[in-house]
Amino acid sequence: QVQLQESGPGLVKPSQTLSLTCTVSGGSISSGSYYWSWIRQPAGKGLEWIGRIYTSGSTNYNPSLKSRVTISVDTSKNQFSLKLSSVTAADTAVYYCARSTGYSSGWYDYWGQGTLVTVSS
Amino acid sequence: SYELTQPLSVSVALGQTARITCGGNNIGSKNVHWYQQKPGQAPVLVIYRDSNRPSGIPERFSGSNSGNTATLTISRAQAGDEADYYCQVWDSSTEVFGGGTKLTVL
Repeated sequence: QVQLQESGPGLVKPSQTLSLTCTVSGGSISSGSYYWSWIRQPAGKGLEWIGRIYTSGSTNYNPSLKSRVTISVDTSKNQFSLKLSSVTAADTAVYYCARSTGYSSGWYDYWGQGTLVTVSS
Repeated sequence: SYELTQPLSVSVALGQTARITCGGNNIGSKNVHWYQQKPGQAPVLVIYRDSNRPSGIPERFSGSNSGNTATLTISRAQAGDEADYYCQVWDSSTEVFGGGTKLTVL
């Protein structure tokens, strides 16, 4: 059974960089044609896709966040990571990592439990 | 950018059928996936590729997709079905989620 677990600071100061890591267990991050994504959800609001990475290193990003987002993968550690720069209070949200199937038209079959990141001084 | 429109809320009487819609331009040409999210929990996939149920999801959950509307149908609604529901598609190298629908079981 695949499991995903987010980790990282729960509090980030405005203008700094938010950094989160997702550790995958129960299977290799390199096996199969899966994409590894970050999705966030502000309190009381809907889901917002941030971006994804394939184990080859190929990425896709939400155009609205693209200038501030970097997603990377470390196959040796079975992890992938998110960096979001120049954060503001609007970036306060629960951040989820998730696995999707296939290049396009894929669905999210495994999710992490989510981690709350608050942007505040 | 592609947009998905969901009603903010849907109410259904216990034991009756709930229908949650997801509107988008020619959405019938896309694969639509649906997620259930209960308070404080991560979303759970309930329908993939328009009408397929993952293992463990009750047969009461079904989906359809045609024209400009995809629909998630929950038959014989139970109190445990009360949750937020989100539709999702892939468009122009971007994942798109609908705004979510809160299902209330009366």
